[in-house]
Amino acid sequence: LAKTTQPISMDSYEGQEVNITCSHNNIATNDYITWYQQFPSQGPRFIIQGYKTKVTNEVASLFIPADRKSSTLSLPRVSLSDTAVYYCLVGATNTGGFKTIFGAGTRLFVKA
Amino acid sequence: DVKVTQSSRYLVKRTGEKVFLECVQDMDHENMFWYRQDPGLGLRLIYFSYDVKMKEKGDIPEGYSVSREKKERFSLILESASTNQTSMYLCASRGTGVGTVGTFFGQGTRLTVV
Repeated sequence: LAKTTQPISMDSYEGQEVNITCSHNNIATNDYITWYQQFPSQGPRFIIQGYKTKVTNEVASLFIPADRKSSTLSLPRVSLSDTAVYYCLVGATNTGGFKTIFGAGTRLFVKA
Repeated sequence: DVKVTQSSRYLVKRTGEKVFLECVQDMDHENMFWYRQDPGLGLRLIYFSYDVKMKEKGDIPEGYSVSREKKERFSLILESASTNQTSMYLCASRGTGVGTVGTFFGQGTRLTVV
């Protein structure tokens, strides 16, 4: 399984764009990149998933360079409610025995 | 929306008790998972199941067992609860297939063993 490396924490202010980068140097050909958000005392919540280039949904954008050895989660105009831990995961989606392994995550703190 | 439901939000059990944590998902997912989450240690995989009656050990299976008799239900069993099993327990499910999007989590069960 590809190991991921993320910053331990980040601070931002309301209204700013936040970019969280994840390194995954040994990503495999079949691996997708998935990001989750977790609030205290809740389970992680799926945010976005991608394989290459750029993916955008109503919550975030995900940028993946051509070599796929890193990815960047972009949160536009963050608010106080975006304060959470963000996890980057890498793995194949088409295998039944797929183990979802979480790293330490990035703790984002949004200030007023 | 996918719904993963854990039977309890909070539980307090005594040392040595047998504890059952139940999880049900409503999206016909093949894969189900049990994690525990502890401060500073992140989420750690205890067991997962990729089909009915099938199970595989995760990273920390000691002291736990699981049961998957029906596709929608995955139970975690603490055979003899100990204080070091005090933790937040999270159940999750995901489908199988190219482009399957995301793993879906329940709200968690905060278990305290006294």
